[in-house]
Amino acid sequence: AQKVTQAQTEISVVEKEDVTLDCVYETRDTTYYLFWYKQPPSGELVFLIRRNSFDEQNEISGRYSWNFQKSTSSFNFTITASQVVDSAVYFCALSEGGGSEKLVFGKGTKLTVNP
Amino acid sequence: GAVVSQHPSRVICKSGTSVKIECRSLDFQATTMFWYRQFPKQSLMLMATSNEGSKATYEQGVEKDKFLINHASLTLSTLTVTSAHPEDSSFYICSAGDSLRKFQPQHFGDGTRLSIL
Repeated sequence: AQKVTQAQTEISVVEKEDVTLDCVYETRDTTYYLFWYKQPPSGELVFLIRRNSFDEQNEISGRYSWNFQKSTSSFNFTITASQVVDSAVYFCALSEGGGSEKLVFGKGTKLTVNP
Repeated sequence: GAVVSQHPSRVICKSGTSVKIECRSLDFQATTMFWYRQFPKQSLMLMATSNEGSKATYEQGVEKDKFLINHASLTLSTLTVTSAHPEDSSFYICSAGDSLRKFQPQHFGDGTRLSIL
């Protein structure tokens, strides 16, 4: 069975600090996709990234970066120089197949960035 | 702009009422759509997979007679919460993937916040 663990329930930082959100996953599939979503208080899910199981390259997008390590089954997300607008709940998720399949979500990490 | 439209965004109604939620793909065809439920301060849990032209597939523990799913066209799936009770109050969100682009990520609607009094 697939499982996603986000051990950090809540994180609070001060603006401009760097913060890393952890994600550990379990799957028996050799082909799978990993995702990160942001959920602001308004509730909608904002897609941040998708990474397939064959691509272990780290990715950087502006202040966001992701570290994928198959050896430890982890897909961690780092926000550099955090801002108040980064405050939200962040979900890591896993799907098998082509990426348009059903998702298994972690429990989410609530990030609060204080001014 | 939004590629998946979910309506209504918020519903408040009395116990015993049936509530229908629509999930519509705006510029692509979706043979499969997914319905998730999120209780306050919890994660999103898959309720069911909606299949165009056939019966939905429900996850374990989800009552199919309680949560009726209809996917009559390639762009529309509906979830009806029948005889809703306060414990059904939750955030319901749908997602859909482009059937012709199976390796693209699915798109989520903006969700429906259901409150049963």
